[in-house]
Amino acid sequence: QKEVEQNSGPLSVPEGAIASLNCTYSDRGSQSFFWYRQYSGKSPELIMSIYSNGDKEDGRFTAQLNKASQYVSLLIRDSQPSDSATYLCAAYREGKLIFGQGTELSVKP
Amino acid sequence: DGGITQSPKYLFRKEGQNVTLSCEQNLNHDAMYWYRQDPGQGLRLIYYSQIVNDFQKGDIAEGYSVSREKKESFPLTVTSAQKNPTAFYLCASFDRGRLNTEAFFGQGTRLTVV
Repeated sequence: QKEVEQNSGPLSVPEGAIASLNCTYSDRGSQSFFWYRQYSGKSPELIMSIYSNGDKEDGRFTAQLNKASQYVSLLIRDSQPSDSATYLCAAYREGKLIFGQGTELSVKP
Repeated sequence: DGGITQSPKYLFRKEGQNVTLSCEQNLNHDAMYWYRQDPGQGLRLIYYSQIVNDFQKGDIAEGYSVSREKKESFPLTVTSAQKNPTAFYLCASFDRGRLNTEAFFGQGTRLTVV
């Protein structure tokens, strides 16, 4: 079982729709969780971090964490073509930062 | 400006050679990481270090070696034992002392075996 798992996609949504990206993790001791966006050939850039159960909103982005279900999600409202990228989920515990395989998102105009 | 710098951006290695990838940060972060990314794949952890003179193997450490002699520097050596080293290598640093923090990435090194 992978420590952090994501659907590899690709996920395709029309412009203006809500994109929903999901991630599960296997280590119950994981303390913090991160969503990164990565454009092709570039370094990942942070979108959101979350460490408490519940929702965290930042502009068009909402991260949701459910530690009981070991589940993290990212919602992107009013999706734009510029949101087309690979989204990486990461979990941190005691010095170790593990990434999932990423979900490719395509937003169609 | 604080940041994390990887060099070189592109690197070519002949069969049987060892090569070293540089990673330097001036963010005063204790933790540093090396990841490998293959086309269409996520980031796989090679090695990580939480303090100077200490480091741990990640999921794919075989064929790689690291050192952490200074807080600012975490070089990665790709040895001849790594049979398929062609990949995109990313270095990151992380402030373990803050709960609401993030990992900062360098711009990456693209290694190709010729």
